[in-house]
Amino acid sequence: GDSVTQMEGPVTLSEEAFLTINCTYTATGYPSLFWYVQYPGEGLQLLLKATKADDKGSNKGFEATYRKETTSFHLEKGSVQVSDSAVYFCALSDLGRGAQKLVFGQGTRLTINP
Amino acid sequence: GAVVSQHPSWVICKSGTSVKIECRSLDFQATTMFWYRQFPKQSLMLMATSNEGSKATYEQGVEKDKFLINHASLTLSTLTVTSAHPEDSSFYICSARAGQTSTDTQYFGPGTRLTVL
Repeated sequence: GDSVTQMEGPVTLSEEAFLTINCTYTATGYPSLFWYVQYPGEGLQLLLKATKADDKGSNKGFEATYRKETTSFHLEKGSVQVSDSAVYFCALSDLGRGAQKLVFGQGTRLTINP
Repeated sequence: GAVVSQHPSWVICKSGTSVKIECRSLDFQATTMFWYRQFPKQSLMLMATSNEGSKATYEQGVEKDKFLINHASLTLSTLTVTSAHPEDSSFYICSARAGQTSTDTQYFGPGTRLTVL
């Protein structure tokens, strides 16, 4: 079945460091790809998404490019801030499955130190 | 816009009792709502998908008689955990989607933490 694999956390960085969180997927169809963020004590929020190959999603300085050839959707940010500390989830949604449901990766906890 | 609320935000109950959790889309009509379960430091696991006015579709391994889902209107879905036991203690999260395709964004509620004693 469809699945999403994220790099294991936790990840700890200093402020202004470069961030990469790896995400790869397996899907039988042609999925849409998402990054969600969960701040402490809050619900998941959509951070960015991409719906077809080579699309780049971007928001709040974060970027991710849909790479069909490597089945990847890595999240990057050039200069992280303390406020970026959260749990990040990569997810896919495969219309071909009929249920149109989201399949999540295990989440990566990110801590940014000042 | 696109706010989803859940009530209650946390609940503690005795083993054997039933607990109802509400999920509301506050500023849009949700044709589809989803219920997830999240264990500590783990990912969200989809429990069921519900469309307004029809029976919920449960994921494999989820007991439909234990986790009753009602989606009576376009802005409200409820999850009832019947005869709760300590192993049902978890963080339950709902999401709501206005459209019909996989590219339509799901908006998530803040979650409900259930503790069964």
